[in-house]
Amino acid sequence: EAGVAQSPRYKIIEKRQSVAFWCNPISGHATLYWYQQILGQGPKLLIQFQNNGVVDDSQLPKDRFSAERLKGVDSTLKIQPAKLEDSAVYLCASSAQTGGTYEQYFGPGTRLTVT
Amino acid sequence: QQQVKQSPQSLIVQKGGISIINCAYENTAFDYFPWYQQFPGKGPALLIAIRPDVSEKKEGRFTISFNKSAKQFSLHIMDSQPGDSATYFCAAEEAGSARQLTFGSGTQLTVLP
Repeated sequence: EAGVAQSPRYKIIEKRQSVAFWCNPISGHATLYWYQQILGQGPKLLIQFQNNGVVDDSQLPKDRFSAERLKGVDSTLKIQPAKLEDSAVYLCASSAQTGGTYEQYFGPGTRLTVT
Repeated sequence: QQQVKQSPQSLIVQKGGISIINCAYENTAFDYFPWYQQFPGKGPALLIAIRPDVSEKKEGRFTISFNKSAKQFSLHIMDSQPGDSATYFCAAEEAGSARQLTFGSGTQLTVLP
């Protein structure tokens, strides 16, 4: 079974520029999550999709962050304009209910550096 | 999101020793407590998980101890190996349709050869 794919793996941009990250979840997984992981901290949920609908985006800074999930499969996360404090690893995860459990499978992440 | 407090921040153990990482929570609606292992440059991967209806779960060298009344749970790594050197995150998931994880701040474990 192929895992969660993310690209790019690394991105360096200047503040006020825009950037987009892509995620392809495990085939058949209906739920998709985007997390922000700042160095030395645990992942923090930004947005959760169920199929192509948003379940929760309460922690997404909507003035600069946006996300969409096309046709309930791939997803993109965009930052525009970026700030220095957006430097972090952006993790995508997906899950499918299996016998009452909801294990989340994480991709390798995209490391963003904003200079 | 409710907080999950994790300690210690870093841990150094000799090969063959026991590594213990502790977590505490406040939200009594949490009903699933996974531990994730993360190697540099990789995403977190599920290591072991427990539900509050049991007090202990063991998988190989990894054991979760769960104290529902104290709202605490811990990860024990027996016979720690250098290959166990990684960052460990506890997490908690709230019952309900959203099934969202709240992560602890992580413990960087170093096992010396």
